[in-house]
Amino acid sequence: EDQVTQSPEALRLQEGESSSLNCSYTVSGLRGLFWYRQDPGKGPEFLFTLYSAGEEKEKERLKATLTKKESFLHITAPKPEDSATYLCAVQGGGYNKLIFGAGTRLAVHP
Amino acid sequence: DAGVIQSPRHEVTEMGQEVTLRCKPISGHNSLFWYRQTMMRGLELLIYFNNNVPIDDSGMPEDRFSAKMPNASFSTLKIQPSEPRDSAVYFCASSSYGEGNQPQHFGDGTRLSIL
Repeated sequence: EDQVTQSPEALRLQEGESSSLNCSYTVSGLRGLFWYRQDPGKGPEFLFTLYSAGEEKEKERLKATLTKKESFLHITAPKPEDSATYLCAVQGGGYNKLIFGAGTRLAVHP
Repeated sequence: DAGVIQSPRHEVTEMGQEVTLRCKPISGHNSLFWYRQTMMRGLELLIYFNNNVPIDDSGMPEDRFSAKMPNASFSTLKIQPSEPRDSAVYFCASSSYGEGNQPQHFGDGTRLSIL
């Protein structure tokens, strides 16, 4: 069964304190791994798609990486506006639905 | 560009009443997804459509739930009769299927409270 596990559940950082969020997955025939950001009262907002092991993508202070078993979302010198829940999802072979993890709640304090 | 539009944003109703949630996908997208989000279970896929045809409804919790997509620009999710355990945030998302692994884009959801 396809499965996504995110850790930690919650993370508190000081502004400027870099860290990483983890997404471990098991899926038959990975077609894509997706990272989303969700703010309170809003829908998930798309950040990145990764397709194969070794791939990396960057956007401002965020960098996503992918191996055959997990993905990391690295946050460099975070700011309070980076506070949100970050969701990871996988898309397996034969379908276009996404399987989501439970998310990591990130709080960045000034 | 207009994103995915959901209505209503909030719905409060009494147990046993019929509830209808509405979604307008992004123009040009041919896949539409309905999700439910709760603290306990996270984001769960209920049903999805490709080209207005339901493909996978295995996530629909029971027969009280039904979804339709009469055309490419409109979909509904109906709960009849509603129960308190249906209280959750319901999201609609859309994407372009068949053009590689295009991401799903989400609306801002309907927060449903069943009293």
